[in-house]
Amino acid sequence: AQSVAQPEDQVNVAEGNPLTVKCTYSVSGNPYLFWYVQYPNRGLQFLLKYITGDNLVKGSYGFEAEFNKSQTSFHLKKPSALVSDSALYFCAVRDMGNAGNMLTFGGGTRLMVKP
Amino acid sequence: EPEVTQTPSHQVTQMGQEVILRCVPISNHLYFYWYRQILGQKVEFLVSFYNNEISEKSEIFDDQFSVERPDGSNFTLKIRSTKLEDSAMYFCASRASSHEQYFGPGTRLTVT
Repeated sequence: AQSVAQPEDQVNVAEGNPLTVKCTYSVSGNPYLFWYVQYPNRGLQFLLKYITGDNLVKGSYGFEAEFNKSQTSFHLKKPSALVSDSALYFCAVRDMGNAGNMLTFGGGTRLMVKP
Repeated sequence: EPEVTQTPSHQVTQMGQEVILRCVPISNHLYFYWYRQILGQKVEFLVSFYNNEISEKSEIFDDQFSVERPDGSNFTLKIRSTKLEDSAMYFCASRASSHEQYFGPGTRLTVT
C-alpha cells in the first residue's frame, strides 16, 4: 500500500521569504513523487515530479523539491514566496511497481503568503 | 497549451438517479483516470483506463460505477444509482507516456 502525509494543514509565510511545504511518503517499492497545486475553483495543476536521478528537482513557477530517500520525504520549496503562490498544495506518490499508475494524495496544505 | 476539459462543471441530481460525467482528455494521451474529492477530504483514486479497458480500480469503484470511452475523444464516468455519499468533486486526468497526470477542472456532483 502507498500513502502520503502532509503534516501541516496550513503554512503561513511573508512575501519574499522562503517557503517549505512538507511531505512524507510510504511505498513498498521505489516511489514516483509529484506536487500539484490547486487554485480556487480550478483543477489540480502539475508542478513537478521526481522519477529518478538528481534528488533536487525544479518545476514550474520557481518551485523545487528535494527527494530524501532515507527520510522518505519530498518537501516542496521556493526561495522567495509571492502572494500569488497562495493556494492548496498536494503531494502525491505512485509506487514504481504499480501498473495502473494510480496516484495517492496527501491531505493538502494551504499556503498563505502575506504581503 | 492543451487541457483536460470536463462537463458539466456542476451537476445536481436526486438520490437514485443515474449521472454521467464527461471528460475530454488531452488528445495524444493514452491513460485516463477518475478521482474524487469529498469536501474537506483527500483526493481519492477511483479508476484507471488504458487500451479500452480498466487497468486498476479502487474499493470505491463498485458496481454502481462504470467508465467508457465511447469515441476517440470522450471519457465518461457513469454512476448508476446515486447516493448522498457520492456528492463530491470528480476529477478526470490523463497522461501520455510520461509519468505526470494532467487534471481537468472537475465536476461538482451534488446528490440531494
